[in-house]
Amino acid sequence: EVQLLESGGGLVQPGGSLRLSCAASGFTFSSYGMSWVRQAPGKGLEWVSTISGGGGSIYYADSVQGRFTISRDKSKNTLELQMNNLRPEDTAVYYCAKRLGATPEYDSWGQGTLVTVSS
Amino acid sequence: SYELTQPPSVSVSPGQTASITCSGHKLGDKFACWYQQKPGQSPLLVIYQDIKRPSGIPERFSGSNSGNTATLTITGTQAADEADYFCQTWDKNFVVFGGGTKLTVL
Repeated sequence: EVQLLESGGGLVQPGGSLRLSCAASGFTFSSYGMSWVRQAPGKGLEWVSTISGGGGSIYYADSVQGRFTISRDKSKNTLELQMNNLRPEDTAVYYCAKRLGATPEYDSWGQGTLVTVSS
Repeated sequence: SYELTQPPSVSVSPGQTASITCSGHKLGDKFACWYQQKPGQSPLLVIYQDIKRPSGIPERFSGSNSGNTATLTITGTQAADEADYFCQTWDKNFVVFGGGTKLTVL
């Protein structure tokens, strides 16, 4: 059974940093692209970033480009998101999601971790 | 940037057919998928590659995609289907979600 477990969320001041982690199990981690998707309170889903299975291809939404860094550790089966220079509009539940296959459809999601950016 | 548009809300009576649309420029030339999200839960993939159902998704969920519109159809809608539904596609390497549709079963 695929399991994705996010951690690292919390309250941070504007301009601060936070590092999210997603522990993956139940599948061959290095074979699948992974993404972070966020959802602001009461709002829709917003794609944040994607990293390929091997880690060699990385993409970011324009809204986070230059501030967020996605990475993966295949020895620990962990996906991470380093978030710097956080803004109030980054407040959201952050989900890690596993791609179904070669195309970016997500067949498994974590339970999410809440990031609140506020002074 | 590419955009997907969904109606904010759709209402349906139990047992009837619900159709939720998702519009985007030449969306039919791309693949579309759909997620169901119930309050307090993570999204659940219900349709991928326009028409395919993941294992465990009831047959009453179906999809289509042509022209500028993808459609999620729920036949014989049940109270348990009340949820938010999001369409999704991708443009080059960027993933795009629709704004979501709240399906009310009443």
